[in-house]
Amino acid sequence: KQEVTQIPAALSVPEGENLVLNCSFTDSAIYNLQWFRQDPGKGLTSLLLIQSSQREQTSGRLNASLDKSSGRSTLYIAASQPGDSATYLCAVKSIRGETSGSRLTFGEGTQLTVNP
Amino acid sequence: EPEVTQTPSHQVTQMGQEVILRCVPISNHLYFYWYRQILGQKVEFLVSFYNNEISEKSEIFDDQFSVERPDGSNFTLKIRSTKLEDSAMYFCASSELQGVYETQYFGPGTRLLVL
Repeated sequence: KQEVTQIPAALSVPEGENLVLNCSFTDSAIYNLQWFRQDPGKGLTSLLLIQSSQREQTSGRLNASLDKSSGRSTLYIAASQPGDSATYLCAVKSIRGETSGSRLTFGEGTQLTVNP
Repeated sequence: EPEVTQTPSHQVTQMGQEVILRCVPISNHLYFYWYRQILGQKVEFLVSFYNNEISEKSEIFDDQFSVERPDGSNFTLKIRSTKLEDSAMYFCASSELQGVYETQYFGPGTRLLVL
């Protein structure tokens, strides 16, 4: 059974700092990994999708890496801003036998606060 | 930009009552999902739906739950007899593809409170 873990659970940084959020998963048989942003009481906004064959993806100030063999992904946020304050979730889509598994398995998230 | 929409945004119900949560997936998407998030816990998969049938369901999705695509645009989750522990945020998601290239897009959620 796939398990996804994110550390740290919470992170507080001053504005302008570069930071790294970590995600680990127990089963390396995955199709892809997705990073989401969740604002309090709101839905999930997809930030980046990394396919299993890719090593990294970039979108603006965000860069996500994937090391499938070690079961790890990182989300790097450059030059953080107060508007980046949110909970960041990673989720993996596992390969299940001969079928294309549907479900995303989520981590518990990292709550990021960027202080002005 | 197309987005997944959900109604209602909030619902309060009495234990034992039936509730129907509604979702309008992105129009050209073929795969539909429900997830839930109990306050302070992880987002959990409930069910996936494709070609008018359930393609996968979790152990949470018992006989009290059902899903339906009643027309070409709506996708619903019904809870037949709600329990206190069904209180959660319910998210609908949709995707155009499955597998390696799949991105699931989530709606804003329905917050369900069972009293």
